[in-house]
Amino acid sequence: EADIYQTPRYLVIGTGKKITLECSQTMGHDKMYWYQQDPGMELHLIHYSYGVNSTEKGDLSSESTVSRIRTEHFPLTLESARPSHTSQYLCASSETGTGSYEQYFGPGTRLTVT
Amino acid sequence: AQSVTQLGSHVSVSEGALVLLRCNYSSSVPPYLFWYVQYPNQGLQLLLKYTTGATLVKGINGFEAEFKKSETSFHLTKPSAHMSDAAEYFCAVTFTGTASKLTFGTGTRLQVTL
Repeated sequence: EADIYQTPRYLVIGTGKKITLECSQTMGHDKMYWYQQDPGMELHLIHYSYGVNSTEKGDLSSESTVSRIRTEHFPLTLESARPSHTSQYLCASSETGTGSYEQYFGPGTRLTVT
Repeated sequence: AQSVTQLGSHVSVSEGALVLLRCNYSSSVPPYLFWYVQYPNQGLQLLLKYTTGATLVKGINGFEAEFKKSETSFHLTKPSAHMSDAAEYFCAVTFTGTASKLTFGTGTRLQVTL
């Protein structure tokens, strides 16, 4: 059973506020990912991490930033939220070396910026 | 570059009817293929995957998919639809050496009617 958690599940916030979306996994996976998903749309990779102190930008440009100080924790931060940031954000993790390549997803955070 | 095409953004079937969701990929190297399901306001759950070996793979909830290299396809099927199958379905692909980054299709919304 995959254990990956995201908080908050829903967030409504005003323009200009700083926000941090939390993502934690208890599986010891080395790789973690953030996806952005607009309603009824495909997922776009915005950040990923190979391990502690490793972060890379994904295929979709994003104004958010991420950090990976601990294996289990991969928070995403928006310094100044804008209505264009309104979306669903999904966190995922995967394990190197198993040959399976599958990713385990958290329940997502639905962000609304007013 | 790898890509995935899901034919049909919306598919409607009657309860008890065959479910067929189409996925084609483009790749010059052997792919690893996945089907994920997403229920409203939730993250993605892995239905099944193809990495190597048997080309017909069985997943959860009675779904199965067949990897056909000659057709570059990985269509998802279920013999008899149930109301609880109504959800969004995503096909995804990755390859060795890509840090397990998945490329997702645009998704197919499955509607099941009485």
